[in-house]
Amino acid sequence: NAGVTQTPKFQVLKTGQSMTLQCAQDMNHNSMYWYRQDPGMGLRLIYYSASEGTTDKGEVPNGYNVSRLNKREFSLRLESAAPSQTSVYFCASSDSGSWEDTQYFGPGTRLTVL
Amino acid sequence: GDSVTQMEGPVTLSEEAFLTINCTYTATGYPSLFWYVQYPGEGLQLLLKATKADDKGSNKGFEATYRKETTSFHLEKGSVQVSDSAVYFCALSPNQAGTALIFGKGTTLSVSS
Repeated sequence: NAGVTQTPKFQVLKTGQSMTLQCAQDMNHNSMYWYRQDPGMGLRLIYYSASEGTTDKGEVPNGYNVSRLNKREFSLRLESAAPSQTSVYFCASSDSGSWEDTQYFGPGTRLTVL
Repeated sequence: GDSVTQMEGPVTLSEEAFLTINCTYTATGYPSLFWYVQYPGEGLQLLLKATKADDKGSNKGFEATYRKETTSFHLEKGSVQVSDSAVYFCALSPNQAGTALIFGKGTTLSVSS
């Protein structure tokens, strides 16, 4: 039982390049989330998917797109990377999206945009 | 909107000292409250949670009580260890389905032997 997995662990991009961050969970959870973590800012929600087939914007969605490929997988795409997107990205999942649910986090992707 | 405020760090303690990390929240309705811990180079792990007023969450010697009257969820541990050195995040989940966590900025704890 791997929980939530993310690839890659590290990535360096040049301004304007694109990339997709992959996330998968094996807990049969319905809801999945993408957060970014910046120093002194805590974690902020980028996008979330309450269930397969649905996605919604979070607090900081600009410059990102997401795809809920199936129940297990939720990818985050940067179409044209900018230095302001240098951050650590975490994927998370929860069973039903209820406010009482625990969210389970992946190990993170550390992205640097030059 | 809903928000979480937690004490600024870093907090530096000696082993076996008492720990308190303050957390207060602003929310409409009755959110669930969480403490997550992040060890260096790792993702976040749930430490404890409480889903209604007066509930006490506890795990690994840490405790926090959901206080509706003071809108607080302070984290405490009676005797910290070097292995407790990490970043601690207080978070709330608004009481509506399909919403994500709202995090405080995190408090860095450093414990020395």
